[in-house]
Amino acid sequence: DAVLTQSPLSLPVTLGQPASISCRSSQSLVYSDGNTYLFWFQQRPGQSPRRLIYRVSYRDSGVPDRFSGSGSGTDFTLNINRVEAEDVGVYYCMQSIHWPYTFGQGTKLEIK
Amino acid sequence: EVQLVESGGDLVQPGGSLRLSCAASGFTFSNYWMHWVRQAPGKGLVLISRINPDGSFTVNADSVKGRFTVSRDNAKNTLYLQMNSLVVEDTAVYYCASDVGINWGQGTMVTVSS
Repeated sequence: DAVLTQSPLSLPVTLGQPASISCRSSQSLVYSDGNTYLFWFQQRPGQSPRRLIYRVSYRDSGVPDRFSGSGSGTDFTLNINRVEAEDVGVYYCMQSIHWPYTFGQGTKLEIK
Repeated sequence: EVQLVESGGDLVQPGGSLRLSCAASGFTFSNYWMHWVRQAPGKGLVLISRINPDGSFTVNADSVKGRFTVSRDNAKNTLYLQMNSLVVEDTAVYYCASDVGINWGQGTMVTVSS
């Protein structure tokens, strides 16, 4: 299985400050079509997950532009450039190249 | 508006069976891969099953292989998960999701306990 390792697992952030979450894969996530199938999800308390980013860096419709994704190969990052109160929750990376598709362990973002 | 609505979750004894449903609306269901993802209480997300748009290809994670079967009825815009030989470790919220997680349902709780 492709293991995704997120860090940190807990992320206390001051409102208005930036936040960054790392996701490292045990295998390359580059497919033969040249695309990289790494996604980011947000799960607010008591809610279903919501996709934020697809294929490393493309924001889904309705996702604020303070969220951005970057990376390549096996090393990826989700950045939030100014954290707002509504960003509290758990963030997961996910890969969809190697079956079983796998998620990272999750990073819990909280407000300091 | 895209909607995915799961149903069928319940309290069941170990060894029992359940069938979950996921009713889709607001998009062309028959064009999309569909997935089942589960989340044990206080734990992370685990993708357990996927099915291709016409239902001819399915694949399950090792943890549910031989016990769970995913299927779909495109005429009814509905996804199913037949769960047999349930064990305590199957206790979780079960979500259906379209494509690679573009849309998610609200989840349905399955509790396996004696």
